[in-house]
Amino acid sequence: QVQLQESGPGLVKPSETLSLTCTVSGDSITSSSDYWGWIRQPPGKGLEWIVSLLYSGGTYYNPSLRSRATISVDTSKNQLSLKLTSMTAADTATYYCMRHRPYISPDYWGPGTLVTVSS
Amino acid sequence: DIVMTQTPLSSPVTLGQPASISCRASQSLVHSNGNTYLNWLQQRPGQPPRLLIYKISNRVSGVPDRFSGRGAGTDFTLEISRVEAEDVGVYYCLQSKQFPLTFGGGTKVEIK
Repeated sequence: QVQLQESGPGLVKPSETLSLTCTVSGDSITSSSDYWGWIRQPPGKGLEWIVSLLYSGGTYYNPSLRSRATISVDTSKNQLSLKLTSMTAADTATYYCMRHRPYISPDYWGPGTLVTVSS
Repeated sequence: DIVMTQTPLSSPVTLGQPASISCRASQSLVHSNGNTYLNWLQQRPGQPPRLLIYKISNRVSGVPDRFSGRGAGTDFTLEISRVEAEDVGVYYCLQSKQFPLTFGGGTKVEIK
C-alpha cells in the first residue's frame, strides 16, 4: 500500500520561501516507472499541477511556477521536497504530494497540508 | 498548454437519478501512440482527489460501475447512472497527454 505524507509549516510570511517535505512508504521514489510531484489547491478553488519528477530522468515544472519552484529528493529517507520562493497570498493553498505513472493521472495522494501566507 | 473546460459548474441531482459532466480540451488528447489521455477524478469534501477513470473509460479498481466515461479527441463525458449520497463532491477532468498537466475547473455534484 503506497502512502504519502506531507509536512511543513502551516504559516509562511510574504516574500519568504516555503519548504515542504513528502515522506513516501510502500514504493521507492527511485522507481523508473513512477513520477513524484506536487499539486496545490487554493481554498474553495480548483487543482493546479506544480511539478513532476522521474528519478531516472526528467523534471517538469508548471511554466507559471518554474522560476520559483524547486523539487528535490532524499533517497536515503525516501522523501521528496518542494521549495517555493517569494511567497505571496496567492500561494495560500493546500499542497498535495502525489505519485503518477507516465501519461496517467495521479493515483496516490497525500492527505494534503494547508499553507497560509500571511504576516 | 492544453486548456480543459468543464460544464456545468454545478449539478444538483435527485438521489437515484443520472448525472452527466462534460469536459472539452483545447486540442486533441490523442497521443502519437494512439492512446487518449483523459482522466476523471472525484474529490469528496475534506479529502484529496481520487482517480476514478483513466484513458477516457477505464475505471480504477474499486470504482462502482455506475461511473462511466466516454468521448474522443477533444470532447469527453463522465456519467453517473444513478447518483448515491456518497457521490457528492467535485469532479475534475485532467489531461495527462503532455506537461503541463492541466485540470478542468471542476463540477460540483450535490443532492437536490
